[in-house]
Amino acid sequence: DAGVIQSPRHEVTEMGQEVTLRCKPISGHNSLFWYRQTMMRGLELLIYFNNNVPIDDSGMPEDRFSAKMPNASFSTLKIQPSEPRDSAVYFCASSYGGDNEQFFGPGTRLTVL
Amino acid sequence: GQQLNQSPQSMFIQEGEDVSMNCTSSSIFNTWLWYKQDPGEGPVLLIALYKAGELTSNGRLTAQFGITRKDSFLNISASIPSDVGIYFCAGQAYTGANSKLTFGKGITLSVRP
Repeated sequence: DAGVIQSPRHEVTEMGQEVTLRCKPISGHNSLFWYRQTMMRGLELLIYFNNNVPIDDSGMPEDRFSAKMPNASFSTLKIQPSEPRDSAVYFCASSYGGDNEQFFGPGTRLTVL
Repeated sequence: GQQLNQSPQSMFIQEGEDVSMNCTSSSIFNTWLWYKQDPGEGPVLLIALYKAGELTSNGRLTAQFGITRKDSFLNISASIPSDVGIYFCAGQAYTGANSKLTFGKGITLSVRP
């Protein structure tokens, strides 16, 4: 069974560039979560969706960050413009019927120079 | 906001030893989960607990949901080198429409052969 799929696995970009991270949740899961992980702050929830609808985006750091879920099998997290402090590992996770037992993807390691 | 406390940050044990990790909170949680993260990978769910006092095992791992609903522990028995990684606790406190997982900062476990 395919787990949560994220792309790219690694992204290196320059400050000011737009970055788009992609996620395909586990088939049949109806909740999707975007997290950011850094050494200093640990795992932070950025935003989550239930049935493709954003439920809580209070963790999105600022207007430079946006997330969409156009359908049940795809979500994007966009940063525009990117800044060096956005460097982190970004995880997507999915679950069925709420946010118990979330299953994580392998993450995207973002480096902004 | 809600916080989960895991300490110490790092633990060093000898192969074959048992190890116990605690997770505490000042708030009540209705679900506790334990995850393990290997380097370069996303967190993987180890055990989920849904009822106060519940004790659940998964191979050499045992976890308990504290009776006060403010803590949980994870035991690893007869540790082996592949137990190395970061162990996160996570809790869910239902607050109506805004239920989501809160993660601890994690404990990095090292196992000496």
